Amino acid sequence: EVQLVESGGGLVQPGGSLRLSCAASGFTFSSYAMSWVRQAPGKGLEWVSAISGSGGSTYYADSVKGRFTISRDNSKNTLYLQMNSLRAEDTAVYYCAKEGYISGYYMDVWGKGTTVTVSS
Amino acid sequence: DIQMTQSPSSLSASVGDRVTITCRASQSISSYLNWYQQKPGKAPKLLIYAASSLQSGVPSRFSGSGSGTDFTLTISSLQPEDFATYYCQQSYSTLYSFGQGTKLEIK
Repeated sequence: EVQLVESGGGLVQPGGSLRLSCAASGFTFSSYAMSWVRQAPGKGLEWVSAISGSGGSTYYADSVKGRFTISRDNSKNTLYLQMNSLRAEDTAVYYCAKEGYISGYYMDVWGKGTTVTVSS
Repeated sequence: DIQMTQSPSSLSASVGDRVTITCRASQSISSYLNWYQQKPGKAPKLLIYAASSLQSGVPSRFSGSGSGTDFTLTISSLQPEDFATYYCQQSYSTLYSFGQGTKLEIK
């Protein structure tokens, strides 16, 4: 069964850091690009960052560029999101998603999410 | 950046109704358009990819169409389990973006 399990969320003070992890199973992890998507309380979905299968290419939303770093360890089938200089507006449920590709990229498998709360 | 705008933002409908949700891109995105369904407290679920391709396991009452800047998601006959929020998402740019969502409620 294809599965993604996020972890690492929690309560952090403004200006603090947190590292999220996403453990993948049931597919050849290194063959697929991966994304992080977040959802603030009561709000819509916001794409945060993506990384190619090899890890050689990374992409960020303007709202997190320079503060967040996406990475992956293909030997451990794990995706990461290092979040620094956190702000109240980063409070959200963070989902990792596997990207498929047929005539374009799409997110076909999602984890259940991990909650990040930025508050003093 | 590419902006995605959905209409309507909310919609009330009855079981058995035919429903159409529209998504408009701020520039041409060819057919690089996906649709997701999200229920409260759950992760999004892929319904349609590449504008009109039905994801495996998704009921055939869901269909997508469009290209360029204008796209639609149609549910041919609403079922009770279809009441949820729907999002479009473009993958034309490496900086992906979602529409603001359309909440489909029971009339």
